[in-house]
Amino acid sequence: AQSVSQHNHHVILSEAASLELGCNYSYGGTVNLFWYVQYPGQHLQLLLKYFSGDPLVKGIKGFEAEFIKSKFSFNLRKPSVQWSDTAEYFCAVTADFGNEKLTFGTGTRLTIIP
Amino acid sequence: EAQVTQNPRYLITVTGKKLTVTCSQNMNHEYMSWYRQDPGLGLRQIYYSMNVEVTDKGDVPEGYKVSRKEKRNFPLILESPSPNQTSLYFCASSSLAGGYETQYFGPGTRLLVL
Repeated sequence: AQSVSQHNHHVILSEAASLELGCNYSYGGTVNLFWYVQYPGQHLQLLLKYFSGDPLVKGIKGFEAEFIKSKFSFNLRKPSVQWSDTAEYFCAVTADFGNEKLTFGTGTRLTIIP
Repeated sequence: EAQVTQNPRYLITVTGKKLTVTCSQNMNHEYMSWYRQDPGLGLRQIYYSMNVEVTDKGDVPEGYKVSRKEKRNFPLILESPSPNQTSLYFCASSSLAGGYETQYFGPGTRLLVL
């Protein structure tokens, strides 16, 4: 079965700082990877996804993520964060085409200080 | 407007009193799913459904039931709720053709079991 680890539980940054949130997955086969964001009091929204092809994926709001197969990682990055990026971020994985079981990481709370 | 609706949004109940949380989507999506969100544990999938009359267990199905008699509805049933089912519940739907790119989450149902 697949699993996802997010080692950063709470990250605090100042505005304009660069961001990198870690995500590692465990699964021996082909995977699809996702980052979701949950703003305070709201439901989850998809930031970006990786299915195949270019391992550097660009998403909404200036976020990007890089899939490194050899490291089983899919870290989320943003060069310059804004106060409005304050939210909880979840990495998720689903393994194999046709397997619709989506496994989430425990989430990383991001707080941006103005 | 494309949306996933859940009712009720907030519910306080007592141990053992059967309850149902409804979920409905207006996008003709094949895939629907239920998650629970708990602090420090992220989102965990309870059950999912690939289409009408097709359901399967997620990571934490114990104590829950689901049904998919109609494509638009996917109710979550707690036959005998217990305090450890106090949580925030999200329903989600997506088109299988679009994969998780088109996954929509409902607004959440906050459940307290006394």
